[in-house]
Amino acid sequence: SQTIHQWPATLVQPVGSPLSLECTVEGTSNPNLYWYRQAAGRGLQLLFYSVGIGQISSEVPQNLSASRPQDRQFILSSKKLLLSDSGFYLCAWNTGVDYGYTFGSGTRLTVV
Amino acid sequence: KQEVTQIPAALSVPEGENLVLNCSFTDSAIYNLQWFRQDPGKGLTSLLLIQSSQREQTSGRLNASLDKSSGRSTLYIAASQPGDSATYLCAVKGGSYIPTFGRGTSLIVHP
Repeated sequence: SQTIHQWPATLVQPVGSPLSLECTVEGTSNPNLYWYRQAAGRGLQLLFYSVGIGQISSEVPQNLSASRPQDRQFILSSKKLLLSDSGFYLCAWNTGVDYGYTFGSGTRLTVV
Repeated sequence: KQEVTQIPAALSVPEGENLVLNCSFTDSAIYNLQWFRQDPGKGLTSLLLIQSSQREQTSGRLNASLDKSSGRSTLYIAASQPGDSATYLCAVKGGSYIPTFGRGTSLIVHP
């Protein structure tokens, strides 16, 4: 069966420190992968998506970047975190236009 | 650009009531619509996926309907329970890889 793993679950980082969040999918190949951010009291904001290895599309200008070094691995990074980067980060995947989306359990990031 | 609206934004009901959550969208050219549940501090859990060719999907006490022509979907929850308390989101998928999410309906079912 397909599963999605996202870690860490919670993270507290100082302003200016780097960030690396990882998401991996098991049980499928060539998934479409997504990074979302959910700020308190706001909706889901799409940050990046990828339809293949090395293919990254950015939806909004950010202090963040994404990479897909392997077929089922999606990484969200930052060189220097800002206070405004705090939020709940969610990874998701799907395959094909007729299929729904499956989300990971999320990472709560607090920048202090 | 697709816009998705969920009404009401919040709902508080006593246990046992039958509920209807609404999701409306502006562009009827969709592939599918998906309903999710999100518990506080957790990820999104898929409840139901309705393809554009379908009118409804059912799972247990949940029933989701889709009316593409009017740009509407409803999630019906029968005999609500305190464990149903969560935020419910709908996501509409059009021709791109990107779904459009509503802001959600926050549901509280009190004993």
